[in-house]
Amino acid sequence: DIVVTQSPVTLSVSLGERVTLSCRASQRVSGNLAWYQQKPGQAPRLLIYGTSTRATGIPARFSGSGSGTECTLTINSLQSEDFAIYYCQQYHNWPLTFGQGTKVEIK
Amino acid sequence: QVQLVEFGGGVVQAGRSLRLSCEASGFLFSSFGMHWVRQAPGKGLEWVAIISHDGSEAYYADSVKGRFTISRDNSKNTLYLQMNSLRAEDTAVYDCAKDLGGLLGIFDSWGQGTLVTVSS
Repeated sequence: DIVVTQSPVTLSVSLGERVTLSCRASQRVSGNLAWYQQKPGQAPRLLIYGTSTRATGIPARFSGSGSGTECTLTINSLQSEDFAIYYCQQYHNWPLTFGQGTKVEIK
Repeated sequence: QVQLVEFGGGVVQAGRSLRLSCEASGFLFSSFGMHWVRQAPGKGLEWVAIISHDGSEAYYADSVKGRFTISRDNSKNTLYLQMNSLRAEDTAVYDCAKDLGGLLGIFDSWGQGTLVTVSS
């Protein structure tokens, strides 16, 4: 199975800051990585797929990049509604696997 | 607007069975792969299973293979998860999720989930 590791586990940030979340896969995934946002008591929401393609309706302040086994989610100018847990997921191979999540909290 | 509503959760004893349902609306159900994803209390996301648009293919997480069966009824726009030989570690909120395509493995819409509690 492909193991997905996210860092950091928790990130304390202020409104308006730029945030960078990292994700690493245990083997090459050919860009088949997605990012999801989950707020307390809510279902996850797809943000990014194909490493860098924003899903429908996702604001431009969210961007993804990466290659090989590494990828990054960047949130420019963090808004209050962005405080949440972010999950990275690979869909290169079955079984599909998620990272353990990065919690973005208010500093 | 895509809507996914799960049913069937509850408290069940270890070793027993439970069947979950997910009613879909707002899109052409028969054209998309569908998933089950679970989240244990306070834990992260774990993919459980996927079924192709026509039900001809299915894949499972190792943790549920041989115990869980995913199926669908396209005439009823409904996805199912038959869960047998339940274990305490199967306790979780179970979400159904729509695939962005056929079997891409990208979850582009999610239900709110149904809680399954397995008591030992």
